[in-house]
Amino acid sequence: GQQVMQIPQYQHVQEGEDFTTYCNSSTTLSNIQWYKQRPGGHPVFLIQLVKSGEVKKQKRLTFQFGEAKKNSSLHITATQTTDVGTYFCAGFVYIPTFGRGTSLIVHP
Amino acid sequence: KAGVTQTPRYLIKTRGQQVTLSCSPISGHRSVSWYQQTPGQGLQFLFEYFSETQRNKGNFPGRFSGRQFSNSRSEMNVSTLELGDSALYLCASSPGQDGYTFGSGTRLTVV
Repeated sequence: GQQVMQIPQYQHVQEGEDFTTYCNSSTTLSNIQWYKQRPGGHPVFLIQLVKSGEVKKQKRLTFQFGEAKKNSSLHITATQTTDVGTYFCAGFVYIPTFGRGTSLIVHP
Repeated sequence: KAGVTQTPRYLIKTRGQQVTLSCSPISGHRSVSWYQQTPGQGLQFLFEYFSETQRNKGNFPGRFSGRQFSNSRSEMNVSTLELGDSALYLCASSPGQDGYTFGSGTRLTVV
């Protein structure tokens, strides 16, 4: 079945450093979504990417969808303590398959 | 605008029992989907309903079922509970082709 691998599992950074998480799918996706989940909270929708090679930005966050629509990345520039949480990708073919998430820990 | 409401927030059940969880989507959202989140397996898709019809189903046994009512509210039922069913069950709603808005979840503990 469809698999979505997400790396790294954990990332410790000093406040102000950059952060990147990567998702790789075993199959070509129709679209991919990104979510953030704070500790003890529920996933919150960040963005959806649909087109091959698409790049979208939200303030310090940059999202990319690969040309083959099998991989995606989320990059955060100059992390802040408010960025702490787990970032999930969800790859869609017919149903969403979630990556295991990358937990971002920001040290002040 | 009210968010996605899930009830109850916490539930403790005994192995072999059944349980029903409830979800009220955001007003106007016709798609409701359910997910299971565990430390071991992560976030997994259970099923999605749209206009009272199950549109998609994940890879879960038939003990997991759901339904959606005409007002878009949804229920999820798990029969013959097993210890491994202990998890956070999340409901999410969507207006259609966009991202999901998740509820706060129901934490189910099976003892």
